[in-house]
Amino acid sequence: AQKVTQAQTEISVVEKEDVTLDCVYETRDTTYYLFWYKQPPSGELVFLIRRNSFDEQNEISGRYSWNFQKSTSSFNFTITASQVVDSAVYFCALSDGDSSYKLIFGSGTRLLVRP
Amino acid sequence: EAGVAQSPRYKIIEKRQSVAFWCNPISGHATLYWYQQILGQGPKLLIQFQNNGVVDDSQLPKDRFSAERLKGVDSTLKIQPAKLEDSAVYLCASSLIPGELFFGEGSRLTVL
Repeated sequence: AQKVTQAQTEISVVEKEDVTLDCVYETRDTTYYLFWYKQPPSGELVFLIRRNSFDEQNEISGRYSWNFQKSTSSFNFTITASQVVDSAVYFCALSDGDSSYKLIFGSGTRLLVRP
Repeated sequence: EAGVAQSPRYKIIEKRQSVAFWCNPISGHATLYWYQQILGQGPKLLIQFQNNGVVDDSQLPKDRFSAERLKGVDSTLKIQPAKLEDSAVYLCASSLIPGELFFGEGSRLTVL
């Protein structure tokens, strides 16, 4: 069965600190996809990134970066120089490679960035 | 571009009553999802439509929950009769590219 574990329930940092959100997944599929979504206080989940299981290249987008390691079944998310606007709940998600793209979400990590 | 619209934003009902939530996806998005998000948990897929056909409803409690997607556009999720454990936020999402979901703000249900 597929499973996503986000062991960090809540993280609090001071603005400008770097912070890494951990995500560990379980799947028997050889083809799968990993995602990160952000849920700000407004409640609307926002898509951040999708990676497929054959692409382990790390990705950077502005202050955001993602580290995908198949050897440890992890897909960690780092925010560099955090800002107050980064405060939100962040969800990691996994889907298999069939056509349905059914997303299995982790329980989320609440990030609080203090001024 | 207009986002995913949901209504109502909030609903309070007594247990055993019925409730309906409405969703209007982004224009042109063929895939529509309903997720249930219980406080402190990640969203859980209830049902997925591709146009007006059901792709996955394996986690939909079919004895009390029903959903339809009219003409492959708007969708309605109904709960009848509601239980206390149905208290949650019901999120509608749509997508054009597989996996890249656009979510609405959700409908928060409180069952007393």
